[in-house]
Amino acid sequence: GENVEQHPSTLSVQEGDSAVIKCTYSDSASNYFPWYKQELGKRPQLIIDIRSNVGEKKDQRIAVTLNKTAKHFSLHITETQPEDSAVYFCAARDNYGQNFVFGPGTRLSVLP
Amino acid sequence: NAGVMQNPRHLVRRRGQEARLRCSPMKGHSHVYWYRQLPEEGLKFMVYLQKENIIDESGMPKERFSAEFPKEGPSILRIQQVVRGDSAAYFCASSPPNRGDYEQYFGPGTRLTVT
Repeated sequence: GENVEQHPSTLSVQEGDSAVIKCTYSDSASNYFPWYKQELGKRPQLIIDIRSNVGEKKDQRIAVTLNKTAKHFSLHITETQPEDSAVYFCAARDNYGQNFVFGPGTRLSVLP
Repeated sequence: NAGVMQNPRHLVRRRGQEARLRCSPMKGHSHVYWYRQLPEEGLKFMVYLQKENIIDESGMPKERFSAEFPKEGPSILRIQQVVRGDSAAYFCASSPPNRGDYEQYFGPGTRLTVT
């Protein structure tokens, strides 16, 4: 089955700097890769996603890149703000079973 | 279009009682997923259901836990004879039928406390 790893587990950046979170997956059949942001006590919220037929996607300060050959994808946040502080989860969707496998999460702290 | 709904939001049970958690998917969504999250930890997959079918229950404990998604009504996650270790946030998520739309959206969660 699919296995998703995520690094780093914690990340601290200064406000205005960029943050990068990386995930790797094991199943080459996975075809959809979402990213979720979870604030303390709240539900995970979908912030951006990418499909296997696309290499990069951008939405304002957030971008995701996908390298299918290497089986890894990354979240990039530019011009970070204190409200970006949260736990971020990556996931991969198994094309066969249609299930989602989540990474263990990255706790991002943006220091003012 | 209402989002994914879960109730109750908070549930307190004594050891040995039963807990029933409900999830109503977004309109038009026919796939439901249940996850458990302990404080400061990640999302642990429990079960994936479609209407009247359990597709993948590989994350469900073998005893005391069951899930259903009937033809009519919400999906139910049932925990019998709860123990303190069942205390966690339980999130439900839904996604559309597999016609090229894959987005999965989460409900607000049910926070179960076992005393």
